[in-house]
Amino acid sequence: DGGITQSPKYLFRKEGQNVTLSCEQNLNHDAMYWYRQDPGQGLRLIYYSQIVNDFQKGDIAEGYSVSREKKESFPLTVTSAQKNPTAFYLCASSIHRGNQPQHFGDGTRLSIL
Amino acid sequence: GENVEQHPSTLSVQEGDSAVIKCTYSDSASNYFPWYKQELGKRPQLIIDIRSNVGEKKDQRIAVTLNKTAKHFSLHITETQPEDSAVYFCALSVRDSNYQLIWGAGTKLIIKP
Repeated sequence: DGGITQSPKYLFRKEGQNVTLSCEQNLNHDAMYWYRQDPGQGLRLIYYSQIVNDFQKGDIAEGYSVSREKKESFPLTVTSAQKNPTAFYLCASSIHRGNQPQHFGDGTRLSIL
Repeated sequence: GENVEQHPSTLSVQEGDSAVIKCTYSDSASNYFPWYKQELGKRPQLIIDIRSNVGEKKDQRIAVTLNKTAKHFSLHITETQPEDSAVYFCALSVRDSNYQLIWGAGTKLIIKP
């Protein structure tokens, strides 16, 4: 959706390095989400946030961290503790928590150098 | 926790024929059921959704049916066209998971010319 911007489109991580993926939305949505998608697989929830300054772990939060200091922004940091970070990362937002359509950004493809 | 089973994992149909993808679930409290289409390397896009107070919803060539008693919902695509080739994901919203979306594993739909 034009209202959700993810950057960069491609990212390379060196061993031991932390990298941050950006997600910005101008839809005035309360809830935001981060998913990981491995090749040929479905979506797995990493973290989600229902409101500013609050976020919860999803199914695969280990090795990742997030912040939600502004309603429009929900950056994801892939830490060096995530030993297999190569994947397609998707950010999404919805009007409010649950029971609502989620709108996705174009994704960031992360690879290890 | 809740699990969504999606079948088949791959579906190949002749152009012009119909395609049906089915998802089954176990939590009777589920009340929101979206379907997403994801083309290769792109973001998932919502194509249709249904809530538990209706049994069927149509949008041109696409329809979704919901059987709450049997706990399954299906995506129907009629008069398939080459541009329908993609991976389709079902999802549902579960109260016990704070109304987050639980995703199916996806169905790769191939339209044969």
